[in-house]
Order: sequence, then structure tokens, then C-alpha cells
Amino acid sequence: DQQVKQNSPSLSVQEGRISILNCDYTNSMFDYFLWYKKYPAEGPTFLISISSIKDKNEDGRFTVFLNKSAKHLSLHIVPSQPGDSAVYFCAASAANNDMRFGAGTRLTVKP
Amino acid sequence: ETGVTQSPTHLIKTRGQQVTLRCSSQSGHNTVSWYQQALGQGPQFIFQYYREEENGRGNFPPRFSGLQFPNYSSELNVNALELDDSALYLCASSPRLAGDEQFFGPGTRLTVL
Repeated sequence: DQQVKQNSPSLSVQEGRISILNCDYTNSMFDYFLWYKKYPAEGPTFLISISSIKDKNEDGRFTVFLNKSAKHLSLHIVPSQPGDSAVYFCAASAANNDMRFGAGTRLTVKP
Repeated sequence: ETGVTQSPTHLIKTRGQQVTLRCSSQSGHNTVSWYQQALGQGPQFIFQYYREEENGRGNFPPRFSGLQFPNYSSELNVNALELDDSALYLCASSPRLAGDEQFFGPGTRLTVL
């Protein structure tokens, strides 16, 4: 029962360009969405979040867009930097606090 | 401010044994969640504890159990280990019960032979 899906296992972009990571969900009860970044040998680190009452949230180089009708969210990183290379997880939660994660997308930013 | 810590870092057990993993929450956090992350997959929610009571559970059998202590540290216990239990086990704490950002520990890598 995979309620949160990240269909691209990997993404490679050039330094300075935009990185777009996508995430789809199936459960319409989800009302809070988060992106986490994970480096090897470390736990996931919170990056940015958005509640279902918004369609956009921006924090520096990172912007998350939410399209509720399509049950789709995306993370934009502009400009991408080599230090952004990591695995990015999309997560969603409902009122019961059961947080579901996607399988992750490995982002590689090339100098 | 101390972050979330987990022990041990690595653990090797044999099928049928029991294991206890430990987590120390970030200071001031009263909610802890445990996740299982198999290779190539995202974390899967096992359960959550809020003020020493289980507050939600994912699709895991009863041989996965937990405890949260008054100082908000916690344990994950797994009985009758199976080969498929081999995974990275992540603990995450948060300051509130709602689905806010969670602060993850580095995880415990469990290998079941």
C-alpha cells in the first residue's frame, strides 16, 4: 500500500540549474506534506513543508508546490549546488500522525 | 541542544532472536516515532508514542513493540526476528503531537542472519 510515490529513483542536474523533484500521493486525507534530505550514514533532515491550505511555500533556494486536485507536489531547488546531492524523501501525514514516505529520489548535482 | 541519538549503530542477530533498539529524543520533545527503512525504500512508519502512550501504529505485527519513558527516551523491541526484519531502524522525535517536522536519529542498522 504505497500512498506516497516518487517515481524517479534518480535525477542528475548541472550546478546552477533547477532541480525539480516530484511526488504523487493517493490518500486525500493527507493534509501536511514535507520534504526530507538524507546524506549517507545520517538520518533524514527536514527541509521544507507545506500544509494543504497552501499551494506554495518558499524557503531560500527551496520551493515546494502542492496541487491538491492532482494529488501532486514538487520540490524546486534553484540554483542547484553540489552540496544538494543527496536522497530526497517526500512525506505526507494526516490527522492521525501516521507519516508516509516515498521511496526517495537520489539527486546528483554535477559541478 | 542534543539531537536525537540511537544505539547501537549496528547489530547482527539470528533468526528467532529478540532485539531492543534505543533512542534518546531531542531535548523538550515529547513525541517519538519509529520507522523501518529497507534498502532502496523510504522509511515505513512502525508506531508513535506520545507522553508514554502509543499514539498510532503502522502495518507491523505485534512482535514489534515499544516503550517511551518519562524522560521521553524510547525503545523498539522486536521478537522472533525474521530475515526480512533486516533494515535501518530510524527514530524521530518532535516537540508536538501534530504532523510537524520530525528530527531523525542516524538509525540502527539491524542484520538478521
